[in-house]
Amino acid sequence: DQQVKQNSPSLSVQEGRISILNCDYTNSMFDYFLWYKKYPAEGPTFLISISSIKDKNEDGRFTVFLNKSAKHLSLHIVPSQPGDSAVYFCAAAAPATPLVFGKGTRLSVIA
Amino acid sequence: DTEVTQTPKHLVMGMTNKKSLKCEQHMGHRAMYWYKQKAKKPPELMFVYSYEKLSINESVPSRFSPECPNSSLLNLHLHALQPEDSALYLCASSQVVGDRGQDTQYFGPGTRLTVL
Repeated sequence: DQQVKQNSPSLSVQEGRISILNCDYTNSMFDYFLWYKKYPAEGPTFLISISSIKDKNEDGRFTVFLNKSAKHLSLHIVPSQPGDSAVYFCAAAAPATPLVFGKGTRLSVIA
Repeated sequence: DTEVTQTPKHLVMGMTNKKSLKCEQHMGHRAMYWYKQKAKKPPELMFVYSYEKLSINESVPSRFSPECPNSSLLNLHLHALQPEDSALYLCASSQVVGDRGQDTQYFGPGTRLTVL
């Protein structure tokens, strides 16, 4: 049973345009959501997070939107840069339990 | 500083060998984690230590043995591994487990393990 789903395994975007990565979840107990970026053969790097009491969190080029009623969150990257090419993992946490990761979306930003 | 360090970076071992992976953080975090990651898959949780006590063991085979000597260090002892155990082993830490805003996990660079 996959509690965190990233239905797009890959995404290609032109440099300078917006990248939108999507994530759906099923567990209504999740109250904290994170995005991680991962390059090959490296550990995931924390990017941005959002608490369930918010619907938007912004950090520079990265914005995460949370729609609790739809159990959906998205990561917007604008403008996209070639260095953003990586695998992006969505993760969610319920109280007193560790993170649950989605399967990841590979983003390719084309120059 | 959000650094988690892991050694070694690469490890090749035979099925009869005994080796250890090491992880260290100096962020004052009280939760530490071991994950296993295969290519094109998400990190798969193996163990969680909370306040230096093993709190979660995700049905990991006994050939993997975790140890938390103190709040900054986490080891993973390996013995009699199988070729299918070859993977990237990731260590992570967070302030605590499962407390909104405090369980952001920071990952180390990983140890690439190959079992021959």
